[in-house]
Amino acid sequence: QKEVEQDPGPLSVPEGAIVSLNCTYSNSAFQYFMWYRQYSRKGPELLMYTYSSGNKEDGRFTAQVDKSSKYISLFIRDSQPSDSATYLCAIAYNNNDMRFGAGTRLTVKP
Amino acid sequence: KAGVTQTPRYLIKTRGQQVTLSCSPISGHRSVSWYQQTPGQGLQFLFEYFSETQRNKGNFPGRFSGRQFSNSRSEMNVSTLELGDSALYLCASSSVGLGGDTQYFGPGTRLTVL
Repeated sequence: QKEVEQDPGPLSVPEGAIVSLNCTYSNSAFQYFMWYRQYSRKGPELLMYTYSSGNKEDGRFTAQVDKSSKYISLFIRDSQPSDSATYLCAIAYNNNDMRFGAGTRLTVKP
Repeated sequence: KAGVTQTPRYLIKTRGQQVTLSCSPISGHRSVSWYQQTPGQGLQFLFEYFSETQRNKGNFPGRFSGRQFSNSRSEMNVSTLELGDSALYLCASSSVGLGGDTQYFGPGTRLTVL
């Protein structure tokens, strides 16, 4: 079993839809939870970072962490074509050794 | 502030050769991590350097090595290249390298092994 599981998609939604992206993890020792966005031919860029259970909101993006279920989510409201990218969840121990999900490829159609 | 830079951006090598990739972190960042990204395996952690010392290492063979210089710039070396080493190699820098510390990625070096 992989330490971090993420549905690779692809996921296609119409513009304006709410997008839900999810990851599960197996080790409760993970303490830090991140979401990265990666456009084609680019390096990943950090979208959201949290270390506690609950919700964290930043504009149209909301990250949700449920440590009891070992489940993290990223919600995108009012999705735009410019949100089309691969979204990677990343989880870290306390030593900067990050584990990444496989990435979900998202397409937002105008 | 300039971002993370990686050179070269593209590289083509043949099996058995060796290759050296370079990463310049964001000014003031002391931690540099290296990752391999492939369609099949996704992003996998190679190693992390902090203040010229390797602090963490992933599960890659000894053919993959790295180093960090006093100015925090880092190099990664792969010896005796294999076809399966074809990948996008990404480096990421962070200020102190603690768990969850925000990592900023470079654009990557795309290595093709023929």
